[in-house]
Amino acid sequence: DAGVIQSPRHEVTEMGQEVTLRCKPISGHNSLFWYRQTMMRGLELLIYFNNNVPIDDSGMPEDRFSAKMPNASFSTLKIQPSEPRDSAVYFCASSPYVGGGAREQFFGPGTRLTVL
Amino acid sequence: QKEVEQDPGPLSVPEGAIVSLNCTYSNSAFQYFMWYRQYSRKGPELLMYTYSSGNKEDGRFTAQVDKSSKYISLFIRDSQPSDSATYLCVVTISYSGAGSYQLTFGKGTKLSVIP
Repeated sequence: DAGVIQSPRHEVTEMGQEVTLRCKPISGHNSLFWYRQTMMRGLELLIYFNNNVPIDDSGMPEDRFSAKMPNASFSTLKIQPSEPRDSAVYFCASSPYVGGGAREQFFGPGTRLTVL
Repeated sequence: QKEVEQDPGPLSVPEGAIVSLNCTYSNSAFQYFMWYRQYSRKGPELLMYTYSSGNKEDGRFTAQVDKSSKYISLFIRDSQPSDSATYLCVVTISYSGAGSYQLTFGKGTKLSVIP
């Protein structure tokens, strides 16, 4: 079992550039989550998909952030334009349960984003 | 007030020590409690979960919840260097239904177990 796959693992970009983070959830999982982790704010939920449909994007910080899930095996998180305050580790997680927050979410290794 | 408060540490203990990690939460609506463990440069992984006040044991780990005081603890017996990680306490409102996907994470306590 490959687990949740994220790419790239590291991204360094300049302010104003577009950044695209990618995630492949575990096969058969119905729910997908994007999180952001910083020292100051800890782990924050950005958006949640259920069966490829965005359910709650209230955690997306602003319109510069967008997320898509075109099929059950792929999701992207895009930041355009990027700003230095977007520097963080971005995690994708998946779960076999619909709306099953109290159950286990399986996290990927994260993408460490640095915006200069 | 943050919904989940957790001492960030760092906490450094000698191998074999008993470790106590603690969290407090503010919303009595939280009914399900979890501990996730995060190794350096890795994603968090579920360690334990419980939904009732009292203790739950799993090997060297014991999760303790006191809903009356909104206090969550994780105890590690006979700590090992491989336990060195950041431990995140996590709460959620319900087991299923609306809002059940919303996990609220503490910021984590960084633990180092010294050989």
